[in-house]
Amino acid sequence: DAGVTQSPTHLIKTRGQQVTLRCSPKSGHDTVSWYQQALGQGPQFIFQYYEEEERQRGNFPDRFSGHQFPNYSSELNVNALLLGDSALYLCASSLPRGNEKLFFGSGTQLSVL
Amino acid sequence: KQEVTQIPAALSVPEGENLVLNCSFTDSAIYNLQWFRQDPGKGLTSLLLIQSSQREQTSGRLNASLDKSSGRSTLYIAASQPGDSATYLCAAPTSSGNTPLVFGKGTRLSVIA
Repeated sequence: DAGVTQSPTHLIKTRGQQVTLRCSPKSGHDTVSWYQQALGQGPQFIFQYYEEEERQRGNFPDRFSGHQFPNYSSELNVNALLLGDSALYLCASSLPRGNEKLFFGSGTQLSVL
Repeated sequence: KQEVTQIPAALSVPEGENLVLNCSFTDSAIYNLQWFRQDPGKGLTSLLLIQSSQREQTSGRLNASLDKSSGRSTLYIAASQPGDSATYLCAAPTSSGNTPLVFGKGTRLSVIA
């Protein structure tokens, strides 16, 4: 049973560029959430997708956008990259009903130069 | 607004010692609370999920307790080992439901052989 998989594992970009990160949820899960983790901090919620729609969103600018596909996989897109976007980006999957455990992928380490 | 605080920020103990990590949260109307482990530069591994109706959960040498009335949770690690060295994060949902999770900054644990 494959867990949550993310690609790529590492990425280096320059300011102003655009980036796309990918996530495949754990088998049987249909809800995907994205988190940003800066060095030394806890993860911060970006947004959550369910049934191919953004269901909840954290306090992130519109430069951060996402998409969920019919097979439940998801993409996170960040436009006009800033140095401050350098972080570990984590994808988590779960079932949509309450009281369910979240399963996280290994993350994508994004460095913006 | 949910806020999660973890004390201490870092902890160094000799191998074999029992230890307690602390987590406090401001909004006690939570469905559950989850403890995670994170190795450097890696994703999060779920350790224990405590439902709001429970007072504690155990997995091997780990025991997590939840006291909603005081807004506190503790993670007890028995007979610590060097392999336990990692950052431990607790996370509570926002009051609006099961997600998104609000994380503390974590406790960085070092177990010295």
